[in-house]
Amino acid sequence: NAGVTQTPKFQVLKTGQSMTLQCAQDMNHNSMYWYRQDPGMGLRLIYYSASEGTTDKGEVPNGYNVSRLNKREFSLRLESAAPSQTSVYFCASSGRVGGNQPQHFGDGTRLSIL
Amino acid sequence: QKEVEQDPGPLSVPEGAIVSLNCTYSNSAFQYFMWYRQYSRKGPELLMYTYSSGNKEDGRFTAQVDKSSKYISLFIRDSQPSDSATYLCAMSAAGNNRKLIWGLGTSLAVNP
Repeated sequence: NAGVTQTPKFQVLKTGQSMTLQCAQDMNHNSMYWYRQDPGMGLRLIYYSASEGTTDKGEVPNGYNVSRLNKREFSLRLESAAPSQTSVYFCASSGRVGGNQPQHFGDGTRLSIL
Repeated sequence: QKEVEQDPGPLSVPEGAIVSLNCTYSNSAFQYFMWYRQYSRKGPELLMYTYSSGNKEDGRFTAQVDKSSKYISLFIRDSQPSDSATYLCAMSAAGNNRKLIWGLGTSLAVNP
């Protein structure tokens, strides 16, 4: 049972380079999320997609763009990477956006920007 | 003040100990309360989920919600080295489009 799959697992970029993080879920969930996790800061929501065709900003959207490609896939793009974007990025999905809908997470992409 | 406060630890206990993990919150509208477990280099996984007040038990794990004190707890009985992980609390108000609010997580080490 794959659940939420993220690629790549690790990546090193130079400042100014661009990159797209990929996420796919096989649970037929409507909603998908991108978080970053940093020491002492916890999980912070970057963007989310409540349903196919919609995207909304979260807590820390600056420097990122997203695309909800279809119901299964939700990608996160860094157009011009900065060292402050060094982090672990998690994708998650849920039936819908709402407190009674637990989120299911992938195993993360560890991104280092030099 | 953060909406959800969680002591990051680290917490270190001997195998077999009872572990108590806690979160406090400030928003009285929160109705859904979750505990996630996160192993090193893995994503968070849902461990316990409760609605409103009361207790919920699942094997060695018990989740408690005290809405009057705005306080939630996760108890682990007969702790095992395999319980060593970071435990994150998350909570949300009722209604559509309500996002989860996360604690910072508590790092737990269970020593054999």
